[in-house]
Amino acid sequence: QKEVEQNSGPLSVPEGAIASLNCTYSDRGSQSFFWYRQYSGKSPELIMSIYSNGDKEDGRFTAQLNKASQYVSLLIRDSQPSDSATYLCAVSPTGGGNKLTFGTGTQLKVEL
Amino acid sequence: GAVVSQHPSRVICKSGTSVKIECRSLDFQATTMFWYRQFPKQSLMLMATSNEGSKATYEQGVEKDKFLINHASLTLSTLTVTSAHPEDSSFYICSAYIPRGTEAFFGQGTRLTVV
Repeated sequence: QKEVEQNSGPLSVPEGAIASLNCTYSDRGSQSFFWYRQYSGKSPELIMSIYSNGDKEDGRFTAQLNKASQYVSLLIRDSQPSDSATYLCAVSPTGGGNKLTFGTGTQLKVEL
Repeated sequence: GAVVSQHPSRVICKSGTSVKIECRSLDFQATTMFWYRQFPKQSLMLMATSNEGSKATYEQGVEKDKFLINHASLTLSTLTVTSAHPEDSSFYICSAYIPRGTEAFFGQGTRLTVV
């Protein structure tokens, strides 16, 4: 059973729309949650981190965490073509220190 | 800001040879670094945790004699893929945390192709 699950996509949204990316995880004791953006052939770039239930906003990005449902999401408002990439959800498992478990990523395509 | 530098970015080697990949923390000391591998269309998979001054900790299924990790200083970890085979072709990425930091910074990654 996968520990971190994401829909692989592709998720296509028109420019200016809201993109909603979802992630579920199996380790109920996980404490730290991250969203990374990865362009093709490049390494991941941190977009958001979230550690407590609720919403966290940073510019056009909002991360949402629901530990009871073991669910974390990323909203991208006013999507731009430059947002087209693969978005990786990463979770730091219980007792794992700084180890990260990644989902397979959701490919986002923002269309003109 | 914190920067993790990885070299080379691309390498092609012949089957049976060894390849060394370097990961450096440029403006901070990293007692621990992490090595990941990513196959096409797949997620990043943690291979090992590199610990300065001690042996690396390998994840289950990763051959420690094939993937040699050396963390000889607080700013440098190296991964050597020994006796490389075509199935070792992958994207190798290192990461590190700044002291007391909670967010991982990644190197640029190394695309290894074994022919």
